Amino acid sequence: NAGVMQNPRHLVRRRGQEARLRCSPMKGHSHVYWYRQLPEEGLKFMVYLQKENIIDESGMPKERFSAEFPKEGPSILRIQQVVRGDSAAYFCASSPGGTRPGYTFGSGTRLTVV
Amino acid sequence: DQQVKQNSPSLSVQEGRISILNCDYTNSMFDYFLWYKKYPAEGPTFLISISSIKDKNEDGRFTVFLNKSAKHLSLHIVPSQPGDSAVYFCASGSNDYKLSFGAGTTVTVRA
Repeated sequence: NAGVMQNPRHLVRRRGQEARLRCSPMKGHSHVYWYRQLPEEGLKFMVYLQKENIIDESGMPKERFSAEFPKEGPSILRIQQVVRGDSAAYFCASSPGGTRPGYTFGSGTRLTVV
Repeated sequence: DQQVKQNSPSLSVQEGRISILNCDYTNSMFDYFLWYKKYPAEGPTFLISISSIKDKNEDGRFTVFLNKSAKHLSLHIVPSQPGDSAVYFCASGSNDYKLSFGAGTTVTVRA
């Protein structure tokens, strides 16, 4: 009964490259959430997706960031033309629906932009 | 804007004693509150929650208290154990999916 799987665990990109972060939700979970944690800060909501639908992307930066959760396969968070300020830990969570009692997080992807 | 604040970045407590973690929020629309625990290089793990219709919720060694008028909640861990050493995040929400997190409190339990 695997939990939320994120890969890669660590990702190093040069400025201007693209970063692709993957998230496979827990079995039976159809809701996926992405959060970002900058150094010394709490997690910040980025986007909420259901299969083939973006429900709320109010936390996504307006440019360079996109997310998808296709019918088949993992959810993908894509960051184009990365900059140093994108360096952070990106956490994915999943749930069968809603946050109550609390959704399950993956171990995160640590993105370093050099 | 920081809607959830954990003003103590760290807490050191002796094994067997009580750990008290505090959290303040500003958004009066929040009606659901959670605590997550996080070890290094791992994702946050759900610990305990409370809804705004209650003022206390208990689960084993963990108790969460909510003071709505003060917009304040706290987590009590009794007795503290070495395995409780971790970062604890307070989180709040007003709908079914979006949480606002505090910056975390690092708890160190001394033997």
